[in-house]
Amino acid sequence: DIQMTQSPSSVSASVGERVTITCRASQGINDYLAWFQQKPGKAPKSLIYAASSLQSGVPSKFSGSGSGTDFTLTISSLQPEDFAIYYCQQYNTYPVTFGQGTKVQIK
Amino acid sequence: QVQLQESGPGLVKPSETLSLTCTVSGGSVSPYFWSWIRQPPGKGLEWIGFIYYSGNINYNPSLKSRVTMSVDTSKNQFSLKLSSVTAADTAVYYCARVKYGSGGAVDIWGRGTMVTVSS
Repeated sequence: DIQMTQSPSSVSASVGERVTITCRASQGINDYLAWFQQKPGKAPKSLIYAASSLQSGVPSKFSGSGSGTDFTLTISSLQPEDFAIYYCQQYNTYPVTFGQGTKVQIK
Repeated sequence: QVQLQESGPGLVKPSETLSLTCTVSGGSVSPYFWSWIRQPPGKGLEWIGFIYYSGNINYNPSLKSRVTMSVDTSKNQFSLKLSSVTAADTAVYYCARVKYGSGGAVDIWGRGTMVTVSS
């Protein structure tokens, strides 16, 4: 199985700050990489697919980049509603696998 | 707007079969791939499998021997059965739609349903 490793596991940031989360795949996955946001007690919300394409309705403050094994999710200006856990997922190779999550907390 | 709703028992006894249904409203099961994903309490996400509206299936090998997925196009539903459950199968189970043409990226999630395995 392809291992997805996110870093950091948690990050503390202030409102208005720029936050970057990294996701590394144990082998190349082309650009078959998605990002999700999950708030406590809620279902995940899809943010990005194909490494850098925004899902419909997702604000442009979210951006993704990368290809191969190294990927990033950037939130350009953190707002109170952005404090959540973020997961990456590869869908290049079965079984589909997720990263362990990165918790974005208020500083 | 497409919405997904999971339904099924919230409590299942050990060794029995967990059965869940996902009802698709505001859209059709065709021509999409559909997925089940689960999340044990306090833990991360685990992919269970994909099913195409026509019935093609791909399961997570870690669960393959116990999982059955199916689609009922007449009811606009798809289903999950997981046999011989143990406490390790206790989780929130999500159904989800795969974005058309994406190769596997989920775009829409159900709200999730908590299933507890306990006697």
